[in-house]
Amino acid sequence: AQTVTQSQPEMSVQEAETVTLSCTYDTSESDYYLFWYKQPPSRQMILVIRQEAYKQQNATENRFSVNFQKAAKSFSLKISDSQLGDAAMYFCAYRGPLSGGYQKVTFGTGTKLQVIP
Amino acid sequence: DADVTQTPRNRITKTGKRIMLECSQTKGHDRMYWYRQDPGLGLRLIYYSFDVKDINKGEISDGYSVSRQAQAKFSLSLESAIPNQTALYFCATSGGAGRTDTQYFGPGTRLTVL
Repeated sequence: AQTVTQSQPEMSVQEAETVTLSCTYDTSESDYYLFWYKQPPSRQMILVIRQEAYKQQNATENRFSVNFQKAAKSFSLKISDSQLGDAAMYFCAYRGPLSGGYQKVTFGTGTKLQVIP
Repeated sequence: DADVTQTPRNRITKTGKRIMLECSQTKGHDRMYWYRQDPGLGLRLIYYSFDVKDINKGEISDGYSVSRQAQAKFSLSLESAIPNQTALYFCATSGGAGRTDTQYFGPGTRLTVL
């Protein structure tokens, strides 16, 4: 079974600095998808970034980028120029390849990010 | 306007009561999902539906039922609520087409069962 591990329950970063959140996963698939979701105090789950395993290039969305290491099964999220609005719980998620049926999305347990002014 | 809406946003109820949580979406997606979130456990899938005539159990469906009234509406019911169903409940949707099938979430419903 696929598992997603976020080993950092909490992290903090100074405003304007850079922080990296870690995520590792376990799978026997070669084609799969990885996601980072943000959950601010408003509770909304917001998609931050996604990565397709067959793409070697790391995904980037503005200040958010990932370091995808397929062989190591690692998928870390880097937040540059951290802002107060980045304070939230961040969840890493894995989904296997679609093959006509449903593929379960497995979520990690989350990392709570604090941004210090 | 939000693409995925959930009502109510908060609900407090008593043990044994029947509760319905509703989800609507304007994204035009055919796939809809219900998850619950508990502290330290991430999100766990309760039910999912690929279209109006397709309903499937997730990993923790006991004590829950669902209804897909239309492509845009997916309701979750607790027939007889119990305290360990106190949690944050999320509805999500996805398009099904394409490779990524990314799920998009509603704002959540916080349910407390006393």
